[in-house]
Amino acid sequence: GAVVSQHPSWVICKSGTSVKIECRSLDFQATTMFWYRQFPKQSLMLMATSNEGSKATYEQGVEKDKFLINHASLTLSTLTVTSAHPEDSSFYICSARPASGYQETQYFGPGTRLLVL
Amino acid sequence: AQSVAQPEDQVNVAEGNPLTVKCTYSVSGNPYLFWYVQYPNRGLQFLLKYITGDNLVKGSYGFEAEFNKSQTSFHLKKPSALVSDSALYFCAVRGSGGSYIPTFGRGTSLIVHP
Repeated sequence: GAVVSQHPSWVICKSGTSVKIECRSLDFQATTMFWYRQFPKQSLMLMATSNEGSKATYEQGVEKDKFLINHASLTLSTLTVTSAHPEDSSFYICSARPASGYQETQYFGPGTRLLVL
Repeated sequence: AQSVAQPEDQVNVAEGNPLTVKCTYSVSGNPYLFWYVQYPNRGLQFLLKYITGDNLVKGSYGFEAEFNKSQTSFHLKKPSALVSDSALYFCAVRGSGGSYIPTFGRGTSLIVHP
């Protein structure tokens, strides 16, 4: 079945540093990938929609310059949290929509837990 | 605008008993409805979806959901709960016309007691 991976699965960094999270669709091509943020015991908050070869579409309230998204290929999207601060600590989840076939289903990665000290 | 309501933060059920996790929605056009499950510190796993056809949809791990248009509901059900079903369950919806991006409910924590 469709598998989406994320790397790293967890990361601890110092305040002010940048962190890159990778999202890969392992056995299918994804023209669209989504980045979500999830706070403890809360639902997923869509941060941005990433389309291969074009600029990401950010949701209202999400800082484009802080959360840099690159979708360089049909199987890879990256989220870079720039100048991370403790309030950026969260669980980040990506999902991918297949480029072909039935496109209604999103396949989610396992998530990346970010802790900023 | 589209929205999803999961009225229960938590559902408790004894192992072997039937379970129901509630979901109601509001959307323009025909609804596309989804259920996902999330285990601790993991991403979401797809359980089932309703796009068209039979109102009763069967999915993974013995789960099913019934689409009720008049009540705008899509409750998740399972005839006999397992302790391993304990997890966080998310309902999602999007309308047939417009954005392809679904809206997620806030999630319902299912706890199955041995």
